[in-house]
Amino acid sequence: GENVEQHPSTLSVQEGDSAVIKCTYSDSASNYFPWYKQELGKRPQLIIDIRSNVGEKKDQRIAVTLNKTAKHFSLHITETQPEDSAVYFCAAFTTGNQFYFGTGTSLTVIP
Amino acid sequence: KAGVTQTPRYLIKTRGQQVTLSCSPISGHRSVSWYQQTPGQGLQFLFEYFSETQRNKGNFPGRFSGRQFSNSRSEMNVSTLELGDSALYLCASSSRRGGPNTGELFFGEGSRLTVL
Repeated sequence: GENVEQHPSTLSVQEGDSAVIKCTYSDSASNYFPWYKQELGKRPQLIIDIRSNVGEKKDQRIAVTLNKTAKHFSLHITETQPEDSAVYFCAAFTTGNQFYFGTGTSLTVIP
Repeated sequence: KAGVTQTPRYLIKTRGQQVTLSCSPISGHRSVSWYQQTPGQGLQFLFEYFSETQRNKGNFPGRFSGRQFSNSRSEMNVSTLELGDSALYLCASSSRRGGPNTGELFFGEGSRLTVL
């Protein structure tokens, strides 16, 4: 089955700096890659996603890039703010018709 | 419209007992999936139901089971509880039918199970 690895597990940045979280996947048939944000004590919520026919997608301060050849995708957050502090999960959707999630990155933005 | 609702939110059980968790999806969503969340392990897929049929199952022992009713509400059951079953159990609903039309997962707030 698919295996999704996510790094780093924890990340601290100064407010205003950029944050980058990387995920790798093993199944070349995976075709959809969402990112979820989970604030403390709350439910995970989709923040951005990308499909395998696209290399990059941007939504205001967040962007996701996908390298199908290397089988990795990354989340980029620019101009970080304290409200960006949360746990971020990447996921890959495979032809096995299920999502495989990474182990999460705990992001702390220091004011 | 109302979001995904999970009950109960918190529960404490002892080893050997069983537990049933409930999930009401967003109206119109026919896909319900369940995940186990533990520190350091992320979200581990348990199973997915679509139109009352289990469509996928993760790598969990047979003590973990589920079902879906005709109104798309879903339940999961864990029998013979073990200490390691302590976790946050999340369900997610989606309108997706599968294939390329994956659809966003909408998560509930979870049921936090503590096994003593």
